[in-house]
Amino acid sequence: QKEVEQDPGPLSVPEGAIVSLNCTYSNSAFQYFMWYRQYSRKGPELLMYTYSSGNKEDGRFTAQVDKSSKYISLFIRDSQPSDSATYLCAMSRSGPGNQFYFGTGTSLTVIP
Amino acid sequence: EAGVAQSPRYKIIEKRQSVAFWCNPISGHATLYWYQQILGQGPKLLIQFQNNGVVDDSQLPKDRFSAERLKGVDSTLKIQPAKLEDSAVYLCASSLVWGSFGEQYFGPGTRLTVT
Repeated sequence: QKEVEQDPGPLSVPEGAIVSLNCTYSNSAFQYFMWYRQYSRKGPELLMYTYSSGNKEDGRFTAQVDKSSKYISLFIRDSQPSDSATYLCAMSRSGPGNQFYFGTGTSLTVIP
Repeated sequence: EAGVAQSPRYKIIEKRQSVAFWCNPISGHATLYWYQQILGQGPKLLIQFQNNGVVDDSQLPKDRFSAERLKGVDSTLKIQPAKLEDSAVYLCASSLVWGSFGEQYFGPGTRLTVT
């Protein structure tokens, strides 16, 4: 079983839609949860990170963590064509220097 | 602030040849990471440096891959000899301090094709 599971999509939505991206994980020791956005032929860029359970909002983006279900989500409100990219979830255990475990990424296309 | 620089951006080699990738992290960043991203997969950590020392190289195929970070600044990742399954994007990332989760800054990557 992989440490982190993510539906690869592809996901295609009309402009203005609410997008929900999800990951599940198996290691209960994970405490830091991150979402990266990766445009084609670019390196990943950090969107948001959260610690433990709860919600975090940043503009049109909301990250949710449910540790009891080992499930994390990223919601994008009022999606824009510029949001078209691959979204990667990543997580790590507590403590310094721990490696990140990435999902496979979900490819999103927002249609104008 | 300049980002993480990587070169070359693209490389095509035949199997059994050798290849080297270069990374220059953001100025002042102590921690440097090399990742392998195979098409359709998430990045997989190959090696992590703290200054010029190796913190984690547990997933580095040491029979063919090597990496160094002399003087604790830029780094080189080498593959010798290359196999077909090494075709991937090799990403370099850096962070300011060790363990500063969530603050890894990635370079654009080097896309390697092994034929």
